[in-house]
Amino acid sequence: AQSVTQLDSQVPVFEEAPVELRCNYSSSVSVYLFWYVQYPNQGLQLLLKYLSGSTLVKGINGFEAEFNKSQTSFHLRKPSVHISDTAEYFCAVKGGSYIPTFGRGTSLIVHP
Amino acid sequence: GAVVSQHPSRVICKSGTSVKIECRSLDFQATTMFWYRQFPKKSLMLMATSNEGSKATYEQGVEKDKFLINHASLTLSTLTVTSAHPEDSSFYICSARDRGRADTQYFGPGTRLTVL
Repeated sequence: AQSVTQLDSQVPVFEEAPVELRCNYSSSVSVYLFWYVQYPNQGLQLLLKYLSGSTLVKGINGFEAEFNKSQTSFHLRKPSVHISDTAEYFCAVKGGSYIPTFGRGTSLIVHP
Repeated sequence: GAVVSQHPSRVICKSGTSVKIECRSLDFQATTMFWYRQFPKKSLMLMATSNEGSKATYEQGVEKDKFLINHASLTLSTLTVTSAHPEDSSFYICSARDRGRADTQYFGPGTRLTVL
């Protein structure tokens, strides 16, 4: 079985500040990890993914995430956020099942 | 990147009617498509998985007679909500897996269904 925990339901931050959105997972096998972003009334857009290799993954819009196997984490970071980054962010894990499991989402709210 | 479209983007219907939502992969072949339902402030709930040319696999608790899924070709899957009721109002999102890149799902823009 696999599961994903996004520890923060909402993260408020001021514009140009750094941000970290947390994601922890559990799986009995090797995993693929993903971060998606969802803007209001839209579908999900892939930000980045970890399949293998380097544990630091860079994605679109200046986001990056680090896979930490010992801590079973895949936290998403951005050094300086913009108003336009305000959205819902979903972490997902795919282990033995070919169907990924999604976290409940973290709402990033960027204030001017 | 890969593009998945959904049609319609919004639909309002009367209770008791049926609504069909289309999901298309525009620039790749999708052997597998997924249908999700998203409630306000909630994560995605996987409803069913459909493979081209075969019957869909429904998740536990999802009524297969109410949510009819057809995956007739490698680029098209449809979800039909039959005899819709107000509690079926939701945001429905499809996603498709590229046959050539099985590690990634591409999501459609979603369909907002409102049942009056």
